[in-house]
Amino acid sequence: DGGITQSPKYLFRKEGQNVTLSCEQNLNHDAMYWYRQDPGQGLRLIYYSQIVNDFQKGDIAEGYSVSREKKESFPLTVTSAQKNPTAFYLCASSIGNRVVGTQYFGPGTRLTVL
Amino acid sequence: GQQVMQIPQYQHVQEGEDFTTYCNSSTTLSNIQWYKQRPGGHPVFLIQLVKSGEVKKQKRLTFQFGEAKKNSSLHITATQTTDVGTYFCAGIDATNKLIFGTGTLLAVQP
Repeated sequence: DGGITQSPKYLFRKEGQNVTLSCEQNLNHDAMYWYRQDPGQGLRLIYYSQIVNDFQKGDIAEGYSVSREKKESFPLTVTSAQKNPTAFYLCASSIGNRVVGTQYFGPGTRLTVL
Repeated sequence: GQQVMQIPQYQHVQEGEDFTTYCNSSTTLSNIQWYKQRPGGHPVFLIQLVKSGEVKKQKRLTFQFGEAKKNSSLHITATQTTDVGTYFCAGIDATNKLIFGTGTLLAVQP
Protein backbone atom coordinates (compact mmCIF):
# COMPACT_ATOMS: atom_id res chain seq x y z
CA ASP A 1 0.00 0.00 0.00
CA GLY A 2 1.22 3.46 -0.83
CA GLY A 3 1.12 6.11 1.83
CA ILE A 4 2.86 8.26 4.37
CA THR A 5 4.11 6.94 7.66
CA GLN A 6 5.06 8.93 10.71
CA SER A 7 6.66 7.56 13.80
CA PRO A 8 6.20 7.46 16.65
CA LYS A 9 2.50 8.21 17.15
CA TYR A 10 3.10 9.58 20.64
CA LEU A 11 6.36 11.06 21.89
CA PHE A 12 7.33 12.43 25.26
CA ARG A 13 10.47 14.44 25.87
CA LYS A 14 11.98 16.47 28.63
CA GLU A 15 12.36 20.19 28.18
CA GLY A 16 15.71 21.12 26.64
CA GLN A 17 16.07 17.94 24.58
CA ASN A 18 16.10 17.85 20.80
CA VAL A 19 13.77 15.32 19.21
CA THR A 20 13.47 14.08 15.63
CA LEU A 21 10.15 13.10 14.08
CA SER A 22 10.18 10.65 11.22
CA CYS A 23 8.22 10.98 7.96
CA GLU A 24 8.47 8.50 5.10
CA GLN A 25 6.40 8.30 1.90
CA ASN A 26 6.30 5.71 -0.87
CA LEU A 27 3.97 7.68 -3.14
CA ASN A 28 6.87 8.93 -5.28
CA HIS A 29 5.79 12.48 -4.49
CA ASP A 30 8.26 15.29 -5.11
CA ALA A 31 7.09 17.70 -2.44
CA MET A 32 6.91 17.13 1.30
CA TYR A 33 5.68 19.37 4.11
CA TRP A 34 5.63 19.64 7.88
CA TYR A 35 2.70 21.26 9.67
CA ARG A 36 2.01 21.97 13.29
CA GLN A 37 -1.52 21.80 14.73
CA ASP A 38 -2.44 23.10 18.16
CA PRO A 39 -5.76 22.26 19.88
CA GLY A 40 -8.64 23.97 18.14
CA GLN A 41 -6.28 25.52 15.62
CA GLY A 42 -5.68 25.23 11.92
CA LEU A 43 -2.52 23.92 10.33
CA ARG A 44 0.61 26.08 10.27
CA LEU A 45 3.45 25.33 7.86
CA ILE A 46 6.85 24.72 9.43
CA TYR A 47 9.05 23.67 6.50
CA TYR A 48 8.57 22.30 3.02
CA SER A 49 10.73 20.67 0.39
CA GLN A 50 10.01 20.54 -3.32
CA ILE A 51 13.09 18.55 -4.31
CA VAL A 52 15.79 16.43 -2.73
CA ASN A 53 18.53 18.38 -0.94
CA ASP A 54 16.46 21.56 -0.93
CA PHE A 55 13.91 22.95 1.52
CA GLN A 56 12.32 26.25 2.48
CA LYS A 57 11.06 27.77 5.71
CA GLY A 58 7.36 28.03 6.28
CA ASP A 59 5.52 30.43 8.57
CA ILE A 60 6.83 29.08 11.89
CA ALA A 61 10.29 27.62 11.18
CA GLU A 62 12.04 29.02 14.24
CA GLY A 63 13.22 26.27 16.56
CA TYR A 64 12.86 23.55 13.91
CA SER A 65 15.21 21.98 11.37
CA VAL A 66 14.73 19.52 8.50
CA SER A 67 16.70 17.55 5.96
CA ARG A 68 15.77 16.00 2.61
CA GLU A 69 18.54 13.59 1.70
CA LYS A 70 16.17 11.14 0.02
CA LYS A 71 12.97 11.69 -1.92
CA GLU A 72 11.10 9.36 0.42
CA SER A 73 12.17 10.90 3.71
CA PHE A 74 11.71 14.30 5.35
CA PRO A 75 12.59 14.18 9.07
CA LEU A 76 11.81 17.11 11.36
CA THR A 77 13.94 17.99 14.37
CA VAL A 78 12.32 19.96 17.15
CA THR A 79 15.16 21.72 18.90
CA SER A 80 15.41 23.06 22.41
CA ALA A 81 15.11 26.54 20.91
CA GLN A 82 11.43 25.94 20.13
CA LYS A 83 9.59 27.79 22.90
CA ASN A 84 6.39 25.78 22.93
CA PRO A 85 7.00 22.43 21.21
CA THR A 86 4.02 20.48 22.59
CA ALA A 87 1.71 20.00 19.60
CA PHE A 88 0.40 17.60 16.96
CA TYR A 89 2.85 17.38 14.05
CA LEU A 90 1.61 16.39 10.60
CA CYS A 91 3.73 15.45 7.63
CA ALA A 92 2.28 15.67 4.13
CA SER A 93 3.34 15.14 0.56
CA SER A 94 2.06 16.21 -2.83
CA ILE A 95 2.67 15.37 -6.49
CA GLY A 96 4.91 17.71 -8.42
CA ASN A 97 7.12 20.51 -7.26
CA ARG A 98 5.87 23.60 -9.07
CA VAL A 99 2.29 24.09 -7.96
CA VAL A 100 1.07 23.08 -4.53
CA GLY A 101 -1.11 20.05 -5.06
CA THR A 102 -3.44 17.95 -2.99
CA GLN A 103 -1.87 17.26 0.39
CA TYR A 104 -1.65 13.63 1.47
CA PHE A 105 -1.19 13.56 5.21
CA GLY A 106 0.45 11.04 7.48
CA PRO A 107 -1.20 9.93 10.74
CA GLY A 108 0.73 12.53 12.75
CA THR A 109 2.93 12.52 15.85
CA ARG A 110 1.71 13.96 19.15
CA LEU A 111 4.70 15.48 20.90
CA THR A 112 4.50 16.33 24.58
CA VAL A 113 7.38 18.13 26.23
CA LEU A 114 7.41 17.78 30.00
CA GLY B 1 -0.07 38.44 6.31
CA GLN B 2 -2.71 36.68 4.34
CA GLN B 3 -5.36 34.90 6.33
CA VAL B 4 -8.08 32.45 5.56
CA MET B 5 -10.86 32.58 8.10
CA GLN B 6 -13.61 30.04 8.56
CA ILE B 7 -16.94 30.50 10.28
CA PRO B 8 -18.35 29.18 12.43
CA GLN B 9 -15.53 27.87 14.57
CA TYR B 10 -17.84 25.24 16.02
CA GLN B 11 -21.32 23.97 15.20
CA HIS B 12 -23.50 21.44 16.94
CA VAL B 13 -26.44 20.03 14.97
CA GLN B 14 -29.05 17.34 15.39
CA GLU B 15 -28.69 14.43 13.01
CA GLY B 16 -30.66 15.18 9.86
CA GLU B 17 -30.13 18.94 10.02
CA ASP B 18 -28.09 20.78 7.40
CA PHE B 19 -24.69 22.32 8.04
CA THR B 20 -22.67 25.01 6.26
CA THR B 21 -19.15 26.29 6.83
CA TYR B 22 -17.81 29.40 5.15
CA CYS B 23 -14.25 30.19 4.17
CA ASN B 24 -13.07 33.76 3.50
CA SER B 25 -9.72 34.95 2.22
CA SER B 26 -8.25 38.43 2.35
CA THR B 27 -6.85 38.00 -1.17
CA THR B 28 -7.73 36.17 -4.37
CA LEU B 29 -7.00 32.46 -4.45
CA SER B 30 -6.02 30.45 -7.52
CA ASN B 31 -7.88 27.46 -6.16
CA ILE B 32 -9.38 26.12 -2.97
CA GLN B 33 -9.14 22.70 -1.40
CA TRP B 34 -11.31 21.17 1.33
CA TYR B 35 -10.18 18.64 3.91
CA LYS B 36 -11.91 16.69 6.67
CA GLN B 37 -10.20 15.68 9.90
CA ARG B 38 -11.95 13.14 12.08
CA PRO B 39 -11.40 13.43 15.84
CA GLY B 40 -7.95 12.08 16.64
CA GLY B 41 -7.15 11.65 12.96
CA HIS B 42 -5.37 13.48 10.19
CA PRO B 43 -6.78 15.71 7.44
CA VAL B 44 -8.08 13.90 4.38
CA PHE B 45 -8.56 15.62 1.04
CA LEU B 46 -12.16 16.01 -0.08
CA ILE B 47 -12.17 18.17 -3.19
CA GLN B 48 -10.53 20.99 -5.12
CA LEU B 49 -12.27 23.93 -6.82
CA VAL B 50 -10.50 25.99 -9.45
CA LYS B 51 -12.96 28.04 -11.47
CA SER B 52 -14.76 31.19 -10.38
CA GLY B 53 -18.31 30.32 -9.32
CA GLU B 54 -17.62 26.60 -9.51
CA VAL B 55 -19.98 24.23 -7.71
CA LYS B 56 -19.21 20.57 -7.07
CA LYS B 57 -21.20 17.89 -5.30
CA GLN B 58 -20.18 14.72 -3.51
CA LYS B 59 -23.32 12.90 -2.39
CA ARG B 60 -24.69 15.07 0.46
CA LEU B 61 -21.78 17.55 0.29
CA THR B 62 -21.91 20.67 -1.92
CA PHE B 63 -18.83 22.81 -2.41
CA GLN B 64 -18.85 26.29 -3.91
CA PHE B 65 -16.10 28.71 -4.97
CA GLY B 66 -17.06 32.37 -5.00
CA GLU B 67 -17.16 34.52 -8.11
CA ALA B 68 -14.30 36.68 -6.85
CA LYS B 69 -12.31 33.58 -5.81
CA LYS B 70 -11.99 34.93 -2.28
CA ASN B 71 -14.54 32.77 -0.54
CA SER B 72 -15.87 29.26 -0.52
CA SER B 73 -18.48 27.21 1.26
CA LEU B 74 -19.19 23.60 2.15
CA HIS B 75 -22.79 22.58 2.72
CA ILE B 76 -23.82 19.21 4.10
CA THR B 77 -27.43 18.16 3.62
CA ALA B 78 -29.07 15.98 6.26
CA THR B 79 -26.05 15.43 8.47
CA GLN B 80 -25.17 12.01 9.77
CA THR B 81 -23.02 11.03 12.75
CA THR B 82 -20.30 10.00 10.31
CA ASP B 83 -19.96 13.67 9.29
CA VAL B 84 -18.44 14.53 12.67
CA GLY B 85 -15.04 16.18 12.44
CA THR B 86 -13.23 19.39 11.59
CA TYR B 87 -13.56 20.75 8.07
CA PHE B 88 -10.70 22.84 6.72
CA CYS B 89 -10.48 24.91 3.60
CA ALA B 90 -7.07 25.65 2.10
CA GLY B 91 -6.38 28.14 -0.64
CA ILE B 92 -3.41 28.73 -2.90
CA ASP B 93 -2.44 32.37 -3.01
CA ALA B 94 -0.59 34.42 -5.62
CA THR B 95 2.78 33.29 -4.29
CA ASN B 96 1.84 29.62 -4.77
CA LYS B 97 1.53 29.15 -1.05
CA LEU B 98 -1.16 26.94 0.48
CA ILE B 99 -2.94 28.68 3.34
CA PHE B 100 -5.13 26.60 5.62
CA GLY B 101 -8.26 28.03 7.14
CA THR B 102 -8.93 27.96 10.86
CA GLY B 103 -11.36 25.06 10.55
CA THR B 104 -14.94 24.38 11.62
CA LEU B 105 -15.61 21.62 14.12
CA LEU B 106 -18.91 19.85 13.44
CA ALA B 107 -20.63 17.87 16.18
CA VAL B 108 -23.68 15.79 15.25
CA GLN B 109 -26.06 14.61 17.92
CA PRO B 110 -27.94 11.39 17.09
